[in-house]
Amino acid sequence: KNQVEQSPQSLIILEGKNCTLQCNYTVSPFSNLRWYKQDTGRGPVSLTIMTFSENTKSNGRYTATLDADTKQSSLHITASQLSDSASYICVVSSTAGTALIFGKGTTLSVSS
Amino acid sequence: GAVVSQHPSRVICKSGTSVKIECRSLDFQATTMFWYRQFPKKSLMLMATSNEGSKATYEQGVEKDKFLINHASLTLSTLTVTSAHPEDSSFYICSARAFSSYNEQFFGPGTRLTVL
Repeated sequence: KNQVEQSPQSLIILEGKNCTLQCNYTVSPFSNLRWYKQDTGRGPVSLTIMTFSENTKSNGRYTATLDADTKQSSLHITASQLSDSASYICVVSSTAGTALIFGKGTTLSVSS
Repeated sequence: GAVVSQHPSRVICKSGTSVKIECRSLDFQATTMFWYRQFPKKSLMLMATSNEGSKATYEQGVEKDKFLINHASLTLSTLTVTSAHPEDSSFYICSARAFSSYNEQFFGPGTRLTVL
């Protein structure tokens, strides 16, 4: 069964600190993996998107990694800011269809 | 980047009425649009896939007569919640797929529906 699991479920960090969010997936055949940021009451906004041949991709203070062999991905946030408080969703796309497989997200709270 | 808009952003209606939500791709053409539903603290759930000029494909368990989808142009899809009931209250999000090497989906800002 195609599944995407994220950990931790929630995370609280101090402003300025770094953090890493994890994503494990069992989607096959794999097409690409995306990380989205979703603010409360808003639609998801794309942070990074990677195919199996891409190991790392950065977008400002966000750096995503992908290990297609172990089917794991991580999202590293550097020097966190209060505005980083949001839900971060890992989404995997399969070549078998158009549907995206969503993780349940990690809720990040950055406090001052 | 590609922009997707939704209108309205919030709507409150009485039980039994119908509500229409619009989804527009503002700076690109989208032959495929998707409608999602999201409950508080839950992941997005795909409701239906909308292809321009053809009937929408609904996910299992989604009532096609209750959630009417129209995709009349390459930049506009509409979702109509017919005879809305309080259990239909939710956050509805659309996305539009742009043709790229990733076939990436761009999400709208969402519509908060509250049925009294």
